[in-house]
Amino acid sequence: EVQLVESGGGLGQPGRSLRLSCVTSGFTFTDHAMHWVRQVPGKGLEWVSGISWNSGSKAYADSVKGRFTISRDNAKRSLSLQMNSLRGEDTAFYYCAKDSWAELGTENFFDSWGQGILVTVSP
Amino acid sequence: YELTQPPSVSVSPGQTARITCSGDALPKKYAYWYQQKSGQAPVLVIYEESKRPSGIPERFSGSSSGTMATLTISGAQVEDEADYFCYSTDRSGTKRVFGGGTKLTVL
Repeated sequence: EVQLVESGGGLGQPGRSLRLSCVTSGFTFTDHAMHWVRQVPGKGLEWVSGISWNSGSKAYADSVKGRFTISRDNAKRSLSLQMNSLRGEDTAFYYCAKDSWAELGTENFFDSWGQGILVTVSP
Repeated sequence: YELTQPPSVSVSPGQTARITCSGDALPKKYAYWYQQKSGQAPVLVIYEESKRPSGIPERFSGSSSGTMATLTISGAQVEDEADYFCYSTDRSGTKRVFGGGTKLTVL
């Protein structure tokens, strides 16, 4: 069974940093790209960032480019999101999501999701 | 790039629910559909426009015509009440976008 478990959320101050992690099990980690998707409570979904199986390709939404950094540790089967220069609009549930393929492609999709973790940015 | 969905759809149990998603790139790009029940993570219900993952009931189906993709739930059940989001990319494949979501009410 595929399992994705996020951690590291909580309260962050504007301008400061938080780091999210996602530990995975139940599938061959190096066969899949991975992503972060966020959701403001009660609102829609927003793709945040993605990383290919070997970290050779990374992509970011315009809203986080230059502030967030995605990374992965294949030995530990884990995915991370370093969130710097936090803003109020970054407040959301953050989901770790498994890609259908290994590379970041144009017809990929998210086939499994973690339960999400809440990040609140407030003074 | 935007994908447009109706905010809400309401049907009685046993009726057919249709949720639409419109986007300029859909004639060239697949649509994907996610179900999100209250307080839970999204679940993939349709991929590559019309394929159903294992474990998803046969009453869920997908189709596409021109700039519109449609998720159809034939014989909707009370347990199908959820928010449904379509997902796709722009023509270049670089913009990964979700629709705004449709709240399905079955009562």
